[in-house]
Amino acid sequence: QKEVEQDPGPLSVPEGAIVSLNCTYSNSAFQYFMWYRQYSRKGPELLMYTYSSGNKEDGRFTAQVDKSSKYISLFIRDSQPSDSATYLCAMSITTGTASKLTFGTGTRLQVTL
Amino acid sequence: EAGVAQSPRYKIIEKRQSVAFWCNPISGHATLYWYQQILGQGPKLLIQFQNNGVVDDSQLPKDRFSAERLKGVDSTLKIQPAKLEDSAVYLCASTLRGYEQYFGPGTRLTVT
Repeated sequence: QKEVEQDPGPLSVPEGAIVSLNCTYSNSAFQYFMWYRQYSRKGPELLMYTYSSGNKEDGRFTAQVDKSSKYISLFIRDSQPSDSATYLCAMSITTGTASKLTFGTGTRLQVTL
Repeated sequence: EAGVAQSPRYKIIEKRQSVAFWCNPISGHATLYWYQQILGQGPKLLIQFQNNGVVDDSQLPKDRFSAERLKGVDSTLKIQPAKLEDSAVYLCASTLRGYEQYFGPGTRLTVT
């Protein structure tokens, strides 16, 4: 069993739709939970991070963590064509300043006009 | 603030040849990572440096891969000899705070 599982998609939605992206994990030691966005032929860029169960909102994006179920989600409201990208969940174990990230496989999102 | 720089952006080599990638992290970032991203997969950590010391290289195939970070700034990753399965994007990332990693654009390697 992989430590982090993510549905690879692809996911196609119309502009303005609410998008839900999800990951499950098996390692209880993960401390930080992140979502990265990766455009084609670019490196991943950090969208959001959180370290506690609950919701964290940033503009049109909401990150949700449920540690009891080992489940994290990213919601995108009012999706735009510019949101078309691959979304990677990532989880980390941090010791001092040394942090090891484990990524999901990524979900490819296409927002259509 | 300048981002993480990587070169070359693309490289095509034949199997059994050698190749090297270069990374310049964000100024002041002590921690540097090399990841391998195979098409359709998430990045997989190869090696982590703290300044010029190795913190974690448990997933680095040491029979063919090597990496160094002299003077705690730039880093190079080398593959010798390359295999077909090494075809991937090699990403460099740096960080000040561990979980908040900043990635470069990557080097796309094709081994034929």
